Amino acid sequence: AQKITQTQPGMFVQEKEAVTLDCTYDTSDQSYGLFWYKQPSSGEMIFLIYQGSYDEQNATEGRYSLNFQKARKSANLVISASQLGDSAMYFCAMREPTGANSKLTFGKGITLSVRP
Amino acid sequence: KAGVTQTPRYLIKTRGQQVTLSCSPISGHRSVSWYQQTPGQGLQFLFEYFSETQRNKGNFPGRFSGRQFSNSRSEMNVSTLELGDSALYLCASSSNGQETQYFGPGTRLLVL
Repeated sequence: AQKITQTQPGMFVQEKEAVTLDCTYDTSDQSYGLFWYKQPSSGEMIFLIYQGSYDEQNATEGRYSLNFQKARKSANLVISASQLGDSAMYFCAMREPTGANSKLTFGKGITLSVRP
Repeated sequence: KAGVTQTPRYLIKTRGQQVTLSCSPISGHRSVSWYQQTPGQGLQFLFEYFSETQRNKGNFPGRFSGRQFSNSRSEMNVSTLELGDSALYLCASSSNGQETQYFGPGTRLLVL
């Protein structure tokens, strides 16, 4: 069964505007971790942000924030003040259960294009 | 700290051959995981090594194997290559497998 769902088609955003990339997940575990990675055309996966299932506060890292809604099983990435260099593929991933399993399950990814 | 490094960056092989890919983790990291990325299947977990032991394995045939050395460097081997093995192979390291995984630049393998 698919555990990470990213259904948005290619996303476009104007430079300096904010954009939200959606991610829903499915797990029966109480303990899990959610990640967002950025993959530019070069191929390298760049870690952006992490949210633990027990974290009460939404994670933030600079211009990135994670809108974590546990009951709805969603973990949307918000990028504020988009820059041209943000154009890339973005992957949501889950590790379950935290502390016992290092395997990441990835979604299909979302392509983000930032327009000048 | 230097990041995760992978060699080679690009490889072209023919069907039936075998290939070995190398990954050097971030200094101090003991866990190395391998992933295969293809346009059709997306990112799929291959296996994870920790302290020279395979600790976790994905759903791939036995042609895919790996190992880890005492300095935490890891290699993965694919024997009897098939056209469908053409992919970007990414390795990721973390301190103990339970923290954030940091990825290398990947090895692009093309099987002709």
